[in-house]
Amino acid sequence: QSALTQPRSVSGSPGQSVTISCTGTSSDIGGYNYVSWYQQHPGKAPKLIIYDVTQRPSGVPDRFSGSKSGNTASLTISGLQAEDEADYSCSSFAGTFGLVFGGGTKVTVL
Amino acid sequence: EVQLVQSGGGLVKPGGSLRLSCAASGFTFSSYSLHWVRQAPGKGLEWVSSISYNSGHIYYADSVQGRLTISRDNAKNSLFLQMNSLRAEDTAVYYCARQPPWGSASPYFFDNWGQGALVTVSS
Repeated sequence: QSALTQPRSVSGSPGQSVTISCTGTSSDIGGYNYVSWYQQHPGKAPKLIIYDVTQRPSGVPDRFSGSKSGNTASLTISGLQAEDEADYSCSSFAGTFGLVFGGGTKVTVL
Repeated sequence: EVQLVQSGGGLVKPGGSLRLSCAASGFTFSSYSLHWVRQAPGKGLEWVSSISYNSGHIYYADSVQGRLTISRDNAKNSLFLQMNSLRAEDTAVYYCARQPPWGSASPYFFDNWGQGALVTVSS
């Protein structure tokens, strides 16, 4: 059982926008502005794409954006591209419990 | 360029042992906290263990406490995970990951990851 809840899959056509939700509690997502998102292609290591809820590391396209409301964080991919097809995982600081992850969401580009 | 290169995965019988290594380059190794994160087949990521820059603070997930031991050698820019009394449920790809220090951003994420090492526990 993952600590954070994500949908198993989302899909969209090229050029469309998709949003992935990540639901936690007031002890993790709701309590801190320390949510991060990772992109993972099959057989590859995770890659950081969002940190501190909304921040993008250098080199990450601006079509990736993050937000948070209450106990739920969201990752939006605008202008979906074929190379965005991957698994996306959220993570949050959870105080004394350290860092917790979601179960991952598979994004399919139709 | 920051690089974390892992070695040491493989097939081991239940109750057996294995040692994972993570060789770092491209940054000042001794300044960073490092972590092990695992991913069971078809499952999400799970934090396993962490070690501070000088080995002064070490933490483990409850599921591995007492069986897995994290260590580092700052002189050799290397991170290790000694895995003993392995169980079937330890089967996963294990990743080493770097935690950034406090700066303009929080340290609560992993900014670089190793390529992963598959550990399979099966008789």
